[in-house]
Amino acid sequence: AQRVTQPEKLLSVFKGAPVELKCNYSYSGSPELFWYVQYSRQRLQLLLRHISRESIKGFTADLNKGETSFHLKKPFAQEEDSAMYYCALSGRPGNQFYFGTGTSLTVIP
Amino acid sequence: EPEVTQTPSHQVTQMGQEVILRCVPISNHLYFYWYRQILGQKVEFLVSFYNNEISEKSEIFDDQFSVERPDGSNFTLKIRSTKLEDSAMYFCASSEYLAGANNEQFFGPGTRLTVL
Repeated sequence: AQRVTQPEKLLSVFKGAPVELKCNYSYSGSPELFWYVQYSRQRLQLLLRHISRESIKGFTADLNKGETSFHLKKPFAQEEDSAMYYCALSGRPGNQFYFGTGTSLTVIP
Repeated sequence: EPEVTQTPSHQVTQMGQEVILRCVPISNHLYFYWYRQILGQKVEFLVSFYNNEISEKSEIFDDQFSVERPDGSNFTLKIRSTKLEDSAMYFCASSEYLAGANNEQFFGPGTRLTVL
């Protein structure tokens, strides 16, 4: 069955410290993986997708098929990174997204 | 930049009443979706819509729910007889479909539905 697991509901780090938000998935096939972010009082917006292999706002995420993980990392956290982060999985264009439960990141000044 | 819009932002209704949640997807998008998020829980898929018909639905999307694209711009979710457990944030999303292209879904701001 398709499943996305984000083990940490809450994560606090100090400004300037590295941050890693964990995401593990199960899917029979080759999924597309995404990270969505929701800043306070704003809509869900795409942060990263694994197929583009890009760095957005200093964040990167590598798909590890062996470990079925797609962890989100940033070497130096900023206060403006405080938000809710959701890992999501999709089978193919037009398919539903399966979301994790989300991790609330707080960056302490 | 074009965005998905949703109305109303908040809806309060009595149990057993019908509600219609409205969405305007991004104009050149072909796939439309409804998700919901009960407070403190994950975002859950309800239904997807393509080419004027439902393409996928979850077990949550039972006979009480229906979707419609009444004109060229709106996409609606109707709940026929609301229950207390329908209280949630409802998100509309849309995506363009191009073979071989990325699969990003663009989300609206949500409608918070409260059933009393």
